[in-house]
Amino acid sequence: DTEVTQTPKHLVMGMTNKKSLKCEQHMGHRAMYWYKQKAKKPPELMFVYSYEKLSINESVPSRFSPECPNSSLLNLHLHALQPEDSALYLCASSLWTGGNQPQHFGDGTRLSIL
Amino acid sequence: AQSVSQHNHHVILSEAASLELGCNYSYGGTVNLFWYVQYPGQHLQLLLKYFSGDPLVKGIKGFEAEFIKSKFSFNLRKPSVQWSDTAEYFCAVTLKNTGFQKLVFGTGTRLLVSP
Repeated sequence: DTEVTQTPKHLVMGMTNKKSLKCEQHMGHRAMYWYKQKAKKPPELMFVYSYEKLSINESVPSRFSPECPNSSLLNLHLHALQPEDSALYLCASSLWTGGNQPQHFGDGTRLSIL
Repeated sequence: AQSVSQHNHHVILSEAASLELGCNYSYGGTVNLFWYVQYPGQHLQLLLKYFSGDPLVKGIKGFEAEFIKSKFSFNLRKPSVQWSDTAEYFCAVTLKNTGFQKLVFGTGTRLLVSP
């Protein structure tokens, strides 16, 4: 079992809906990440939080809004998504953002936009 | 731009066969190197990592990888695969000493091991 917990596991939403993805870790990690993974493709970085502050936004559309309420939680708020946003959304964490820190991944939320 | 190439997109092996998956990266500086595995329906898991020192790195489940700096390669090997090794394997790279070090994944190799 992974030490990074993501909920929900599956989410189907319409283009006008507002929903949130949640991620939680209790390993004391201070870096948390959101990735998007399309079918048969590698994960692509979306956002990085370091010590609860957004440090990297990889030019992600504003319909995706991340939030880090505390060092253990990471949310991704979704609004007015497009069908092409259907994908597996992965959360990861690491001790800090140093490149030699392995990232621990959650199981992901499989998102389908109708 | 930094990139990671995995030459084999699909590999099919019989149990007990030897495995070698290729990984090359394009960056002239110092890198950290990782292999991750994604079993069907499961999360990405770290197999092994290389930061410095002995270029032959041993990981979990009998996997090893060798860093060859002159070839910009970090190939993954296993002497004898098992049916349970069926999974997708991703090579990944971060750069050292460049501020935030983004983890860049290769395109992945799907391994199918037939019993």
